[in-house]
Amino acid sequence: AQKITQTQPGMFVQEKEAVTLDCTYDTSDPSYGLFWYKQPSSGEMIFLIYQGSYDQQNATEGRYSLNFQKARKSANLVISASQLGDSAMYFCAMRGDNYGQNFVFGPGTRLSVLP
Amino acid sequence: DGGITQSPKYLFRKEGQNVTLSCEQNLNHDAMYWYRQDPGQGLRLIYYSQIVNDFQKGDIAEGYSVSREKKESFPLTVTSAQKNPTAFYLCATRPPKGARVNTGELFFGEGSRLTVL
Repeated sequence: AQKITQTQPGMFVQEKEAVTLDCTYDTSDPSYGLFWYKQPSSGEMIFLIYQGSYDQQNATEGRYSLNFQKARKSANLVISASQLGDSAMYFCAMRGDNYGQNFVFGPGTRLSVLP
Repeated sequence: DGGITQSPKYLFRKEGQNVTLSCEQNLNHDAMYWYRQDPGQGLRLIYYSQIVNDFQKGDIAEGYSVSREKKESFPLTVTSAQKNPTAFYLCATRPPKGARVNTGELFFGEGSRLTVL
C-alpha cells in the first residue's frame, strides 16, 4: 500500500526567507510520481510541482523546488523567498506505477508567512 | 474557459435528506474523481471514473453514490446513509495518458462545502 507522511502540522516562516516542508512516502512500485499542491483558505487545490521517480534532477518551478532523495523516500518542498501569499495548506501526494492508480495524499502542512 | 465547475459552493442539508453535488468539466478529460476533505486533514477518495458508464469505489464510498452518463459530468449524491456528511468535497479530473501536457497531475474544481444541520 502507498502512504504519504507529512510530520509538520504547522510551520511559520518570516517573509523573504526560505522554508522546507517535509514529505516522506512509502511504495513498492518501481515507478511513481510525486506532487505538491497548495490549498489557500478559499479551498481550491493548486498544483505546484511534479517529480517523477526516474527523473535524475530535482524538479523546479519558479520559487518552488523539490528536494528528492529517493533512497530516503523523501520529497521535500522548498519555497524560496517566502511571500505573504504563500500562507496556505500544502499537500504532498503520490501516484503509483499504474496510470490507472489513484493519488494518495498526505495530511498536509499549514504554512504561515509572517510579515 | 476550460475548467471544472462544482456546484453549489455551499449547501445545507437536514439529517435524513439526500443531496447531489454537481461536477462538470470541459477539459475533455476521461478520468474524474470525488474527494472528501475534513478540517485539518488530507483528501480521501470517495469514487472515481475512468470512462463513461464506469466507476469504482474509493476508500470511503459508503453512504455515497455516483453516475457517469456523460464524459463531462460526474455528480455525487450524499445519501442519508452517510453518517457524518459535513465536509468539503472536491471534484478532480485527470488528462489521459500520453496527453501533450501530462505529468499526471489532477485538476481540481473549487469545491463544495456541505453542512448537515
